[in-house]
Amino acid sequence: DTGVSQNPRHKITKRGQNVTFRCDPISEHNRLYWYRQTLGQGPEFLTYFQNEAQLEKSRLLSDRFSAERPKGSFSTLEIQRTEQGDSAMYLCASSLAGQGRQPQHFGDGTRLSIL
Amino acid sequence: AQTVTQSQPEMSVQEAETVTLSCTYDTSESDYYLFWYKQPPSRQMILVIRQEAYKQQNATENRFSVNFQKAAKSFSLKISDSQLGDAAMYFCAYRSPNYGGSQGNLIFGKGTKLSVKP
Repeated sequence: DTGVSQNPRHKITKRGQNVTFRCDPISEHNRLYWYRQTLGQGPEFLTYFQNEAQLEKSRLLSDRFSAERPKGSFSTLEIQRTEQGDSAMYLCASSLAGQGRQPQHFGDGTRLSIL
Repeated sequence: AQTVTQSQPEMSVQEAETVTLSCTYDTSESDYYLFWYKQPPSRQMILVIRQEAYKQQNATENRFSVNFQKAAKSFSLKISDSQLGDAAMYFCAYRSPNYGGSQGNLIFGKGTKLSVKP
């Protein structure tokens, strides 16, 4: 069973650098979500895709953040000019499209640490 | 906007005993979905149980059950016969109905850390 896969698991970088994360969803899932989770908090929604279309973006997603899902398969999340406040766990989830009852399956996350 | 509140930052239970985790939410929608997710330390978040708001019957999954009180906007999770492997962060989450594909994200509470004592 291939679940949601995220790479890298950990990323340490200096402030001001660009970083890119990758998410490979469950193969038959057409929906893909990105969340951010800081210490002691629940995940917060960033953006989601249905196939290759980015359908919704949270106001948390500043112009330094960009996400893509070319060909409706894997997705990348890029953060440009990283800041201390970007330190968090970035979670990816996928699901089938449906009437909201379809559960989202989460990956292990990418933990970003900004020095 | 919808909000989810988990008022218990930490809970503890003795192995084999029963524990109830609380969750309240605020919404003006009449149809929605509620979920409990479990996040073990350094491991991925997994779905424990889900409830459709239009169903009056409380959902049950083996040792896990919910008490869904729609009028009170309350959605508590009961874990029976607690096991050491149940120790984790538990998140309550809300999701709007997905008509027309316009919504889909989960709104999470801050979580409750459950410890299980042997």
